[in-house]
Amino acid sequence: DSGVTQTPKHLITATGQRVTLRCSPRSGDLSVYWYQQSLDQGLQFLIQYYNGEERAKGNILERFSAQQFPDLHSELNLSSLELGDSALYFCASSPLRGGDGDTGELFFGEGSRLTVL
Amino acid sequence: EDQVTQSPEALRLQEGESSSLNCSYTVSGLRGLFWYRQDPGKGPEFLFTLYSAGEEKEKERLKATLTKKESFLHITAPKPEDSATYLCAVPVYSSASKIIFGSGTRLSIRP
Repeated sequence: DSGVTQTPKHLITATGQRVTLRCSPRSGDLSVYWYQQSLDQGLQFLIQYYNGEERAKGNILERFSAQQFPDLHSELNLSSLELGDSALYFCASSPLRGGDGDTGELFFGEGSRLTVL
Repeated sequence: EDQVTQSPEALRLQEGESSSLNCSYTVSGLRGLFWYRQDPGKGPEFLFTLYSAGEEKEKERLKATLTKKESFLHITAPKPEDSATYLCAVPVYSSASKIIFGSGTRLSIRP
């Protein structure tokens, strides 16, 4: 158990809908990372937050948004869903801020499996 | 372009048959390289961090090594429970600080 909690574990929805994925980081960790893992593909970096502020942005679609709240949990919002958005979405946390000389191992949750029909 | 490439994509070994997995990277100014293990339907689990060429880390049957352009994950006398996807990742500090992952090597160990 990594200490990172993601909900829901599974989600099935229809195209055009909107969903929210939630992540609670390990106790004490201030950084939250979001990754997308499609079938047979590697982990694609979406976005990182540190203590409520956006630190880095990857290949995140405009239909997707995220935020980190004062209690450090984070939410990833996916809207106008398409079939191609079906994937495993992972959240990871770290005690480090991220950036040169301040990046270390990530602790991953079990993921949220999104199926868009 | 910053890139992490892993090979082979898949590897099937007999129990006890040693081998190596490769991770090559093209990033400017490496600040560390990470190895993770991922079981089906689970989140990646951290294995090792390597920071400089020549560095080696070991854990049970796994040993990770790092050169200036690539890293190897050596698996010695593997067991079926070592079957998993092995991922390597590097932090990138260009226009945005992020950690990018390779696509992984799916390792299968037959009893």
